[in-house]
Amino acid sequence: AQSVTQPDIHITVSEGASLELRCNYSYGATPYLFWYVQSPGQGLQLLLKYFSGDTLVQGIKGFEAEFKRSQSSFNLRKPSVHWSDAAEYFCAVGTTSGTYKYIFGTGTRLKVLA
Amino acid sequence: SAVISQKPSRDICQRGTSLTIQCQVDSQVTMMFWYRQQPGQSLTLIATANQGSEATYESGFVIDKFPISRPNLTFSTLTVSNMSPEDSSIYLCSVEQVSGNEQFFGPGTRLTVL
Repeated sequence: AQSVTQPDIHITVSEGASLELRCNYSYGATPYLFWYVQSPGQGLQLLLKYFSGDTLVQGIKGFEAEFKRSQSSFNLRKPSVHWSDAAEYFCAVGTTSGTYKYIFGTGTRLKVLA
Repeated sequence: SAVISQKPSRDICQRGTSLTIQCQVDSQVTMMFWYRQQPGQSLTLIATANQGSEATYESGFVIDKFPISRPNLTFSTLTVSNMSPEDSSIYLCSVEQVSGNEQFFGPGTRLTVL
């Protein structure tokens, strides 16, 4: 069955520290991969996406993610976290066979300490 | 990217009543999606709405409970019928533009059912 796992429900980091949010997926074909951020009371904003090609993708707000096919992972990273990065982060898979749709992970809530 | 608006932004409703949520996009889009995000949870796809055809519902969601209209390429509505407190959620509209496989999300409608 298709699924997306974000193992960390909550993560707390200090401002200026590095960040890595984990995402693993289960999908038979090569998926499209996305990271979204949801700030309190807001909709979802696309941070970055991977369709094909270079497995290290750059996104907005200084985020990057690396697709590792062998590990079925698409982890999100940021070298230095800012207080404004506190939000909920969702990894999503876009299915590439059959009816195209997203499967979302359960989300990781990031808290940033001053 | 597409600019998406939803009305209402929030509402408090009595059980047994119905609420229609509107989603308006500033450009023509092929596919529109409706999601539910229950408190503290991830996003669950309710249905895919294509213009000129019946909506396609995901497992666990039925047309009688969540009727959807898609009269043109920039507008859709989702009705939550015969509401119960379990329907209290954020309902989000998203769109996929003609050019790509990424989705853009509206700000959501926060529904509370008493």
